[in-house]
Amino acid sequence: GIQVEQSPPDLILQEGANSTLRCNFSDSVNNLQWFHQNPWGQLINLFYIPSGTKQNGRLSATTVATERYSLLYISSSQTTDSGVYFCAVELQTGANNLFFGTGTRLTVIP
Amino acid sequence: NAGVTQTPKFRVLKTGQSMTLLCAQDMNHEYMYWYRQDPGMGLRLIHYSVGEGTTAKGEVPDGYNVSRLKKQNFLLGLESAAPSQTSVYFCASRWDRVKAKHFGDGTRLSIL
Repeated sequence: GIQVEQSPPDLILQEGANSTLRCNFSDSVNNLQWFHQNPWGQLINLFYIPSGTKQNGRLSATTVATERYSLLYISSSQTTDSGVYFCAVELQTGANNLFFGTGTRLTVIP
Repeated sequence: NAGVTQTPKFRVLKTGQSMTLLCAQDMNHEYMYWYRQDPGMGLRLIHYSVGEGTTAKGEVPDGYNVSRLKKQNFLLGLESAAPSQTSVYFCASRWDRVKAKHFGDGTRLSIL
């Protein structure tokens, strides 16, 4: 199956700092989503971004499908940004499955 | 607009007991999904449905059954619960294959 690798696995930031999370995938995809899983376990859909760049407030994401990677940028981080960030991809062919990476655990300290 | 609602939120079962998890969506989505999330891991697909009356196996279907009798509901059943099925279960739905999946808040299931 497709491999989805996220880096770094863990990240600790001071409040106000910026960060970049990376997602590499091993096959062509037609769907890529970034999720934030908050400390209560809820999965929040951040971006649907199979290609190109999108921005939503302090967050932005870029997917370069031809080079099989996506980046999630967090600027001016806040303590509420803490949690686990997942990248998930869906193959162009095959079953209706989002394959998840193992996530980046972000801790923002005041 | 509630989105995707999962019932119950928490449950503790004994080995061998059965139960059904309910997922309801009010967005008129065709596609619905059940995932499980084990500690320190991402989600894995159990079963999914591409429309009312249809179901299909995902990545880890063994030990589970599903039904989609109504478009808005997707049921996940455990006929004889095992400790290995202790997990957090997420339901998701979407309009079609090229749209984003929307997830419920999860059901935390413990099997003793």
